Amino acid sequence: DIQMTQSPSSLSASVGDRVTITCQASQDISNYLNWYQQKPGKAPKLLIYDASNLETGVPSRFSGSGSGTDFTFTISSLQPEDIATYYCQQYDNLLPVYTFGQGTKLEIK
Amino acid sequence: EVQLVQSGAEVKKPGESLKISCKGSGYSFTSYWIGWVRQMPGKGLEWMGIIYPGDSDTRYSPSFQGQVTISADKSISTAYLQWSSLKASDTAMYYCARLAAGTKGGFDIWGQGTMVTVSS
Repeated sequence: DIQMTQSPSSLSASVGDRVTITCQASQDISNYLNWYQQKPGKAPKLLIYDASNLETGVPSRFSGSGSGTDFTFTISSLQPEDIATYYCQQYDNLLPVYTFGQGTKLEIK
Repeated sequence: EVQLVQSGAEVKKPGESLKISCKGSGYSFTSYWIGWVRQMPGKGLEWMGIIYPGDSDTRYSPSFQGQVTISADKSISTAYLQWSSLKASDTAMYYCARLAAGTKGGFDIWGQGTMVTVSS
């Protein structure tokens, strides 16, 4: 099974800061990697698909990069409404299996 | 509007059976896979399984195989997640989600979630 290691597990940053979250796969997953935002009491929301593509309607301050085993999710300028938990998710098309990372809880400093 | 609407919260006793639902609207329900995701209280997201309503092709996570049953009734655009004998450890929020077309495994539309509480 492919394991996903997401870090950090929690993060505190100030409004306007650049925020980076990483996700590492235990083996090459090409760009089969997606990022979600989950606000408290709400369902997750797809932000980035296929590692680097911005979902329609998502603000451009959100971005993703990477391929193979190492992936990065970035918020270029943190806004108060970005407080949430963020998850990476990989897709193994051979099985198929969809595996989520452990999540990163983002708080305002 | 494309949406998935889930059935309401449930409170059950251990050993009871349960079937929760997820109704799709605003798109061709039979043309998209629907997945189920568990979130235990205060914990992360876990993929349980996925079904293609067009032909009921179903795949399960190894962690959930044999523990739950996923089904769909395409005539009423509804997917289901069911348990034959609930345990306290099944207490969680359950989400259904549509697998997006043109992506590599991304879920683009989510239901609002169904909270299942199992307690004696």
